[in-house]
Amino acid sequence: DVKVTQSSRYLVKRTGEKVFLECVQDMDHENMFWYRQDPGLGLRLIYFSYDVKMKEKGDIPEGYSVSREKKERFSLILESASTNQTSMYLCASSSPGRAYNEQFFGPGTRLTVL
Amino acid sequence: QQQVKQSPQSLIVQKGGISIINCAYENTAFDYFPWYQQFPGKGPALLIAIRPDVSEKKEGRFTISFNKSAKQFSLHIMDSQPGDSATYFCAASMQRGGGNKLTFGTGTQLKVEL
Repeated sequence: DVKVTQSSRYLVKRTGEKVFLECVQDMDHENMFWYRQDPGLGLRLIYFSYDVKMKEKGDIPEGYSVSREKKERFSLILESASTNQTSMYLCASSSPGRAYNEQFFGPGTRLTVL
Repeated sequence: QQQVKQSPQSLIVQKGGISIINCAYENTAFDYFPWYQQFPGKGPALLIAIRPDVSEKKEGRFTISFNKSAKQFSLHIMDSQPGDSATYFCAASMQRGGGNKLTFGTGTQLKVEL
C-alpha cells in the first residue's frame, strides 16, 4: 500500500521560530510537492521537486524553502514563522507517466503560529 | 490568478439526491481533469478523472461531464450517501510540459444528510 507520511499531525510554534516539516514517501517516486490548504483557497502549491537536490518554486513560495537530500524525503522549512503561515500543510508525491499525473498525499500537518 | 474556478463552496444534499459540483478552467493546454476527495483528517485522494477527448466518464455513482468548448467540467454524485460527505477538489493538469503539477480548484465541502 502506497504511503506518504508527515512528521507531525499538529504543530504549534512561536512567531520568528524556524520550523521544519518533514515528508517521507515509500513509493520510490521522483516527484514531491508541498501544498498549503486554507478554507476557500483550496490547495496552493508552495514548492516541488523532480529529483534529489532539485527544487522549483510553486505559486506561493514566499517565506518558505525546501530541501531534498534523499529521494524519499522532502522537507519544508519556514525560516521565520509568521502568523499568516498558520495553515494545513500537505505533502504529495507522484511518478512521471502516472495516469492523470496522480498524486498521493500525506495526512497533513496543521501548523499554528502564535 | 485562479486558473481553475470551483463552485459551490459548500453543498448540502439529502440522502439519495444528486450532488453536482462545477469547475471552469482557463488554460487550454490542460488535458487531464481529475477530481480528488478528502475526508476529515486525511489527505486528498484521486476519485475519478477524465481526458478532454471524451464528454463523460462514469465510475459507479460518480460521473464527470466535460464541455471542452465551454472549458467546464462537473462532478455528479448519484444516489448521494452520508459516506460521501467530504471535501471535493477539481484539478487540471498537463500531460506534457506541466511537470506532473496539478492546479486545484478551491474545494467544495459536501454534506449528505439523512
